[in-house]
Amino acid sequence: SQKIEQNSEALNIQEGKTATLTCNYTNYSPAYLQWYRQDPGRGPVFLLLIRENEKEKRKERLKVTFDTTLKQSLFHITASQPADSATYLCALHTGNQFYFGTGTSLTVIP
Amino acid sequence: GAVVSQHPSWVICKSGTSVKIECRSLDFQATTMFWYRQFPKQSLMLMATSNEGSKATYEQGVEKDKFLINHASLTLSTLTVTSAHPEDSSFYICSATPRMGNTEAFFGQGTRLTVV
Repeated sequence: SQKIEQNSEALNIQEGKTATLTCNYTNYSPAYLQWYRQDPGRGPVFLLLIRENEKEKRKERLKVTFDTTLKQSLFHITASQPADSATYLCALHTGNQFYFGTGTSLTVIP
Repeated sequence: GAVVSQHPSWVICKSGTSVKIECRSLDFQATTMFWYRQFPKQSLMLMATSNEGSKATYEQGVEKDKFLINHASLTLSTLTVTSAHPEDSSFYICSATPRMGNTEAFFGQGTRLTVV
């Protein structure tokens, strides 16, 4: 069966440290993998996209890697801040559809 | 960025009644809209994909007679929860892409449905 799993339900880190979130998938062959941020009671907001032929993508303090052999993406937030606290979702774009991972709730402690 | 507006943001209805949720793309034409359902502390579950002018494609396990989707124009899709029951209470979110195969989805604010 198809599954998209994110490493842990909740992650707590100290302000200033790098947060690393993991997204693993099985039985998909996505053309793209995306990361979204979701705050409580709100819809997700797009952060980054990485294509299947790209290894790494950066945007300001964010970095995403994509390993299609391992079927895994890593999402890094460097120099984390309390404002980064949110739930982060990975999403696979296959065909014309988006499927979301289980999500990781990140808390950055001041 | 592109804006997707979802209405209402919350609704309370009595068991057995029907509820309609609207999803509008405000500054682009959306050839494809998606409807998701999200339970507390869980991820988004894709319910259906709708393309303008054609029938929606429902995910396995989603009752199409229960969740009616209409995508009559390039800027509006509606989800109607028919004969709602308490177990239908959830957070419903729509998203839209400007064109087929677009790489980014734009999400509405979500609708909190409570069936009493």
